[in-house]
Amino acid sequence: DGGITQSPKYLFRKEGQNVTLSCEQNLNHDAMYWYRQDPGQGLRLIYYSQIVNDFQKGDIAEGYSVSREKKESFPLTVTSAQKNPTAFYLCASSRTGRNEKLFFGSGTQLSVL
Amino acid sequence: GQNIDQPTEMTATEGAIVQINCTYQTSGFNGLFWYQQHAGEAPTFLSYNVLDGLEEKGRFSSFLSRSKGYSYLLLKELQMKDSASYLCAVSGGATNKLIFGTGTLLAVQP
Repeated sequence: DGGITQSPKYLFRKEGQNVTLSCEQNLNHDAMYWYRQDPGQGLRLIYYSQIVNDFQKGDIAEGYSVSREKKESFPLTVTSAQKNPTAFYLCASSRTGRNEKLFFGSGTQLSVL
Repeated sequence: GQNIDQPTEMTATEGAIVQINCTYQTSGFNGLFWYQQHAGEAPTFLSYNVLDGLEEKGRFSSFLSRSKGYSYLLLKELQMKDSASYLCAVSGGATNKLIFGTGTLLAVQP
């Protein structure tokens, strides 16, 4: 079955540590996205990529980094510069990135130790 | 600015009908989406409106009025499994980026 796989489901970060969240899709979609979800707030866009080897900052990119070396993969690194990383992180993809429905992964809950 | 408003919480009874409203103010409009999200899970696509009017899909329907910046999601014959958050999202502007509302938490009671 095609879909988006995020791992791990739960992740803990120590202060000063960088952590990487994995996102893989086998839908052959061009566009991929990372969102952050906090209680009482809407999903906020961190980074997105519409093609391999290219990505753009979203609304809250500070403290995060991404790469898009393969069409299937879009990992997100939460760096030590992100001072409030505790949140539910959702990866999504769409076929072309032009006004289409998103397919979401099951999410990663990141907490700070 | 860009803003999407939805009620924070709603309660309804099993078997009844509930309407979840969404108003938006965005720079440009390319379509409006509704997603359902159960706690701790991925949002799943429910509906898409780009033209004015009602789109019906089984127990769920979605309405759009572009002139009023208004949409609603109508859920009929409510079931306990419909207890979830319902997210309204608008695609707008040159980049077609989705802007999400905070979501409406619907509790269906027996």
